[in-house]
Amino acid sequence: ETAVFQTPNYHVTQVGNEVSFNCKQTLGHDTMYWYKQDSKKLLKIMFSYNNKQLIVNETVPRRFSPQSSDKAHLNLRIKSVEPEDSAVYLCASRHRGVSAETLYFGSGTRLTVL
Amino acid sequence: SQWGEENLQALSIQEGEDVTMNCSYKTYTTVVQWYRQKSGKGPAQLILIRSNEREKRSGRLRATLDTSSQSSSLSITGTLATDTAVYFCATRGTGGYKVVFGSGTRLLVSP
Repeated sequence: ETAVFQTPNYHVTQVGNEVSFNCKQTLGHDTMYWYKQDSKKLLKIMFSYNNKQLIVNETVPRRFSPQSSDKAHLNLRIKSVEPEDSAVYLCASRHRGVSAETLYFGSGTRLTVL
Repeated sequence: SQWGEENLQALSIQEGEDVTMNCSYKTYTTVVQWYRQKSGKGPAQLILIRSNEREKRSGRLRATLDTSSQSSSLSITGTLATDTAVYFCATRGTGGYKVVFGSGTRLLVSP
């Protein structure tokens, strides 16, 4: 049963445009993530928020910015997209706690930059 | 075997065969997770194995963990066409919140 919801499923845009992706989890988790998955299926962590606080910020271009209004929502904005931003963006959540390891993923947003 | 910047591995087998996928990780971890990603979906956890467990089973799945060689494996017995997916191992990165994924193994099971 899907409990991490991402919108939109797909987005096609031109170089230089701004895009925004939404993610909501209904699991009551404290921690949320954004991952980027490239065409070779490599999954790279971008950001992680714990209770609306940024706790992981990998080396990503500054045009990427996460936005968290509450612990159930974590959006991703890309200010001026580049062709290399074409990928699937996956949102995930996890319960806080030493033994709570499992990540629950949404189905992803596929971004195509023309 | 999968990790880091290595290319996605690919395996193609017939339904009913057994398969083992390997994963080598770079940094110390106390937990290895295995995830499966089907086409058009996000990854979903299959099995989690801790450093105090050398082997863990769940249905047709068997995971092993060797902390001395920093490696883990996932075996599937009696594969089904529905096992066709990309399989990832994942470990906890530094700081505890980071979950780092291997490069994945694409498994194709033909009926």
